[in-house]
Amino acid sequence: AQSVTQLDSHVSVSEGTPVLLRCNYSSSYSPSLFWYVQHPNKGLQLLLKYTSAATLVKGINGFEAEFKKSETSFHLTKPSAHMSDAAEYFCVVSGRDSSYKLIFGSGTRLLVRP
Amino acid sequence: NAGVTQTPKFQVLKTGQSMTLQCAQDMNHEYMSWYRQDPGMGLRLIHYSVGAGITDQGEVPNGYNVSRSTTEDFPLRLLSAAPSQTSVYFCASSYGQGLMNTEAFFGQGTRLTVV
Repeated sequence: AQSVTQLDSHVSVSEGTPVLLRCNYSSSYSPSLFWYVQHPNKGLQLLLKYTSAATLVKGINGFEAEFKKSETSFHLTKPSAHMSDAAEYFCVVSGRDSSYKLIFGSGTRLLVRP
Repeated sequence: NAGVTQTPKFQVLKTGQSMTLQCAQDMNHEYMSWYRQDPGMGLRLIHYSVGAGITDQGEVPNGYNVSRSTTEDFPLRLLSAAPSQTSVYFCASSYGQGLMNTEAFFGQGTRLTVV
């Protein structure tokens, strides 16, 4: 069965410093992987997605993620955090194992200190 | 372009009451789904539909019913609310599902409290 693990429930960074949100997945077949962001009291917005094309995926607002099959990871990064990045981030896996349903991680709350 | 619209945004129910959460999308998406979000648990799939007239259960379907009579609408019914159903509910739609999963669009959510 497919699953996804977000390794940190909370991450705190200073404004202007790099962001790293970690995600590991489990899948018997080649997965599709997504990162979604949820700002307070809002719905979810897609940041980026990997669907077996380039392993380095660029998303909106300067975020990117790298698919590493050997490490079963899909970590989200951003070179320089902005106050507006404070939100909850979800790593999501999908594919043949789950009949293409979206399987969500438990989320990582990103705090950005001034 | 409204996207995915959920109503109501907030609701308080008494145990045993029934209600329907509404979801509508205007993107002509075939695939629609309902999730519940609980602290520390991410989003869990309740029910989904791959097209009008076709629905199926997700991970946590107990206590919820759905129907899909049109492409646009996918209501979620709570027949007899329980405190365990206190949660934030999200409706989502996407063009389809298959070998390359497409982006899912989410509504703003419905915050439900059952007392």
